[in-house]
Amino acid sequence: GENVEQHPSTLSVQEGDSAVIKCTYSDSASNYFPWYKQELGKGPQLIIDIRSNVGEKKDQRIAVTLNKTAKHFSLHITETQPEDSAVYFCAASRDDKIIFGKGTRLHILP
Amino acid sequence: NAGVTQTPKFRVLKTGQSMTLLCAQDMNHEYMYWYRQDPGMGLRLIHYSVGEGTTAKGEVPDGYNVSRLKKQNFLLGLESAAPSQTSVYFCASSRQGGLWTQYFGPGTRLLVL
Repeated sequence: GENVEQHPSTLSVQEGDSAVIKCTYSDSASNYFPWYKQELGKGPQLIIDIRSNVGEKKDQRIAVTLNKTAKHFSLHITETQPEDSAVYFCAASRDDKIIFGKGTRLHILP
Repeated sequence: NAGVTQTPKFRVLKTGQSMTLLCAQDMNHEYMYWYRQDPGMGLRLIHYSVGEGTTAKGEVPDGYNVSRLKKQNFLLGLESAAPSQTSVYFCASSRQGGLWTQYFGPGTRLLVL
């Protein structure tokens, strides 16, 4: 079955700097790669996703890149702000269910 | 729209007791999921349903049962709770499976003593 590895587990960046979270997946048939953000005490919420026919997608300060050959994808957050502090999960899917990475706790330092 | 709601928000059980967690969605979604979230383990799929009257096992189904008698509801049951089932449980729904956005509920925190 699919296995998703996510790094780092914890990331601290200065406010205004960029943050990068990386994930790898094992199943070459996976074709959908969403990213979820979980704020304290809440359920995860989709922030951006990418499908296998696209190499990069951007939404304001957030971008995701996908390298199908290497089976890895990354989340990039630019100009980080205090409200970006949260836990971020990557995931991979090809059918009925999605497999999540273990999460990255992002701290934005003042 | 309320989205996905979960009942209860918090519960304390003694080992061996049983309980049912309720998930409800008002988005007319076909697929529903139950996950557990433990520190450092991410979100692990317990059971899921691809439509009313159907259920399927996920990664960690042992010790849990589910039912989907109505399209809008997905119940997760613990027949005999164990301390290892102490966790935060999240329900999610999606329009048509894993290739669509999953909408999560606020979670149920369960403590088994």
